[in-house]
Amino acid sequence: AQSVTQPDIHITVSEGASLELRCNYSYGATPYLFWYVQSPGQGLQLLLKYFSGDTLVQGIKGFEAEFKRSQSSFNLRKPSVHWSDAAEYFCAVARFGNEKLTFGTGTRLTIIP
Amino acid sequence: EAGVAQSPRYKIIEKRQSVAFWCNPISGHATLYWYQQILGQGPKLLIQFQNNGVVDDSQLPKDRFSAERLKGVDSTLKIQPAKLEDSAVYLCASTHGTGGGTEAFFGQGTRLTVV
Repeated sequence: AQSVTQPDIHITVSEGASLELRCNYSYGATPYLFWYVQSPGQGLQLLLKYFSGDTLVQGIKGFEAEFKRSQSSFNLRKPSVHWSDAAEYFCAVARFGNEKLTFGTGTRLTIIP
Repeated sequence: EAGVAQSPRYKIIEKRQSVAFWCNPISGHATLYWYQQILGQGPKLLIQFQNNGVVDDSQLPKDRFSAERLKGVDSTLKIQPAKLEDSAVYLCASTHGTGGGTEAFFGQGTRLTVV
């Protein structure tokens, strides 16, 4: 069965600083990988996804993620965070042929001035 | 394009009572999912429908939870009787259902509090 680990429960970053959120997955074949963001009281919004091809994927709001098969990782990055990026971030995996998502426990991002 | 609609947004019930949630997916989306998100955790799949058939309900507590998707469009999720541990946000999502890893669109969720 697939699984996702997000080792950081809570991260605090200064506005304008760079950000990296970690995600490790466990899956026997090439996975479909996703990053979702959830603002308070809102549903989940897709930031970006990886299916195949270029291992560096670009998403919305200036986010990017890099798939590293050797490390079973799919870390999310942003060069300069904005106060509006404060939210909960979830990494998720799906297996080929099925869009059912397995989520990590999430990382809560706090932005300080 | 209208998003995934869910109602109600909030619900407070006493334990052992029953409750139902409603979801209307994006028009044309064949696959519909119900996820349970307990505070401090990631969403966990309860049930997956393809059109009006159940694809996966392995994590649905069938002694108290039930779901249906009549006519392959909107869906209801019911809990009867509710327990304290059912307090969570219930998220509905939909996809085109082509199996190609397409994006899942989520509703805003129903926050259930069982007291």
